[in-house]
Amino acid sequence: DIQLTQSPSFLSASVGDRVTITCRASQGISSYLAWYQQKPGKAPKLLIYAASTLQSGVPSRFSGSGSGTEFTLTISSLQPEDFATYYCQQLNSYQYSFGQGTKLEIK
Amino acid sequence: QVTLKESGPALVKPTQTLTLTCTFSGFSLSTSGMRVSWIRQPPGKALEWLARIDWDDDKFYSTSLKTRLTISKDTSKNQVVLTMTNMDPVDTATYYCARMSGGSGLEWFDPWGQGTLVTVSS
Repeated sequence: DIQLTQSPSFLSASVGDRVTITCRASQGISSYLAWYQQKPGKAPKLLIYAASTLQSGVPSRFSGSGSGTEFTLTISSLQPEDFATYYCQQLNSYQYSFGQGTKLEIK
Repeated sequence: QVTLKESGPALVKPTQTLTLTCTFSGFSLSTSGMRVSWIRQPPGKALEWLARIDWDDDKFYSTSLKTRLTISKDTSKNQVVLTMTNMDPVDTATYYCARMSGGSGLEWFDPWGQGTLVTVSS
């Protein structure tokens, strides 16, 4: 099975900061990666699919890039509502896996 | 508008079988291309995909949990049911169902239900 490793696991930042979260796959997955945001007590929300396609309704400060084994999620200017946990997700051979999550906290 | 909602017992005893129901609206699982998955999340931990069922009744399971899971659908009721046998305290988690989109290896989960917390304890 393909493993996804996110870094960092925890990130402390301030409103207005630019932050980047990395997701590394244990083998190449082309652009078959999605990103989710999860707030405490809530279900995950899709942000980006196909590595870089912004889901409808998601603010443009979110962007995704990468292909193969390394992917990034960037938030260009953090807003108070962006403090949450972020997960990457992939599909391979009908097995879906998620990264371990990156918790973004207010500095 | 697509919505999904999970229902089932909040508490099960070890060794019991868990049955969860996902009731959805805004789409039909008899429509070509439609798929629904179950995903779970232990408290404070990461997401784990469990199973998927397709419009044509194809079914896929997590390799690690395959022997314990059964997924089925009732198209007339707009429901997907997941059963998990031999429950253990480590299965304590919030269980989500989600519609799937995309295809040909590029798939994602959207939207998700609100989730239902299942605690396994004697």
